[in-house]
Amino acid sequence: IAGITQAPTSQILAAGRRMTLRCTQDMRHNAMYWYRQDLGLGLRLIHYSNTAGTTGKGEVPDGYSVSRANTDDFPLTLASAVPSQTSVYFCASRGQGEYGYTFGSGTRLTVV
Amino acid sequence: DAKTTQPPSMDCAEGRAANLPCNHSTISGNEYVYWYRQIHSQGPQYIIHGLKNNETNEMASLIITEDRKSSTLILPHATLRDTAVYYCIVRANTNAGKSTFGDGTTLTVKP
Repeated sequence: IAGITQAPTSQILAAGRRMTLRCTQDMRHNAMYWYRQDLGLGLRLIHYSNTAGTTGKGEVPDGYSVSRANTDDFPLTLASAVPSQTSVYFCASRGQGEYGYTFGSGTRLTVV
Repeated sequence: DAKTTQPPSMDCAEGRAANLPCNHSTISGNEYVYWYRQIHSQGPQYIIHGLKNNETNEMASLIITEDRKSSTLILPHATLRDTAVYYCIVRANTNAGKSTFGDGTTLTVKP
């Protein structure tokens, strides 16, 4: 089934640890995005990539890094997790000439 | 990307039309209006988008005012499954266009 796969589904992480959230899409979409959603709030853009090999910063990039080595994968790395990074993380993609975003099911991350 | 303003919550009776407003007074000429919804804990789902003409699809209708400073998403016959958070977003329809999500409107459809 075409779409976006995020892993893990949920994770409890000790503060100070490094963590990579995985995002893979099989739709050959050019653009990909990472959002975080804190409890009861809307989504905030962390990083994005308009095409493989390029990335850009969103609204809340601090503490996060991304890479886009190929079209399908867009991992998000927390170099040293802090409790304020506790959130639900959504990955999304959009194809060339398409309008709406396709979202993954999210990763629920708790930093303790 | 232009900012949008939506009421934080709305109720609607099952079977009635749900009309969700959105203000986007600073929208630029090349920016489209998009609507998404997010059902509890799931990823947001694209509903509809438009530039200046009214649009309709199998999910909803989108009415954009002539000055493009506001719009209304219409769910013609709301069901309990339409209970969700609805986000109105404006974005340029380019490869570099990024979507900024506000806090949305929580629509509760009641029996």
